[in-house]
Amino acid sequence: RKEVEQDPGPFNVPEGATVAFNCTYSNSASQSFFWYRQDCRKEPKLLMSVYSSGNEDGRFTAQLNRASQYISLLIRDSRLSDSATYLCVVNTGFKTIFGAGTRLFVKA
Amino acid sequence: GAVVSQHPSWVICKSGTSVKIECRSLDFQATTMFWYRQFPKQSLMLMATSNEGSKATYEQGVEKDKFLINHASLTLSTLTVTSAHPEDSSFYICSAYVNTEAFFGQGTRLTVV
Repeated sequence: RKEVEQDPGPFNVPEGATVAFNCTYSNSASQSFFWYRQDCRKEPKLLMSVYSSGNEDGRFTAQLNRASQYISLLIRDSRLSDSATYLCVVNTGFKTIFGAGTRLFVKA
Repeated sequence: GAVVSQHPSWVICKSGTSVKIECRSLDFQATTMFWYRQFPKQSLMLMATSNEGSKATYEQGVEKDKFLINHASLTLSTLTVTSAHPEDSSFYICSAYVNTEAFFGQGTRLTVV
């Protein structure tokens, strides 16, 4: 089993749609969690951290369920510019593990 | 946010030659930097942890004699791919942390022909 697993997609959605990504992690001692965005042939960039209480940043909502070892990212009112690969990232305190990413295509 | 600069952004080299990739922290000091490799449609895989003033720590399966890492100052780490072969063709990315946030270099796309 991979340490961090994501649905690879791709997710093809129309503009304005709501889309949700899921991620599971295997190490119950993991300490911090993030969603990164990676555009094609570019470096990853931090989208948002994920907190136990859940957090929202504009159209993006992230949630963490420690009991189920599950992280989610919800994108509302999706835009063409949201097209990218979204990486689930888990930090165990000793190392940072990246998921393989979920590809999103938003179409007009 | 913090800036990590990586150079070159792409390189094509002949099989058997060596390629050096530089990673610089421009506005902060990084005692530790990380080197990743990413194959198409796959996740970033940590290759090694670069420590300023000491030897790098390599992940299992990564040949330290092939991927030479030097971290001679608080703002520069280099990765040298020695005797490169076509299977080394990949996207190499460095990163450094400021608090808990990872900042990445722009990446280097290496093609070995």
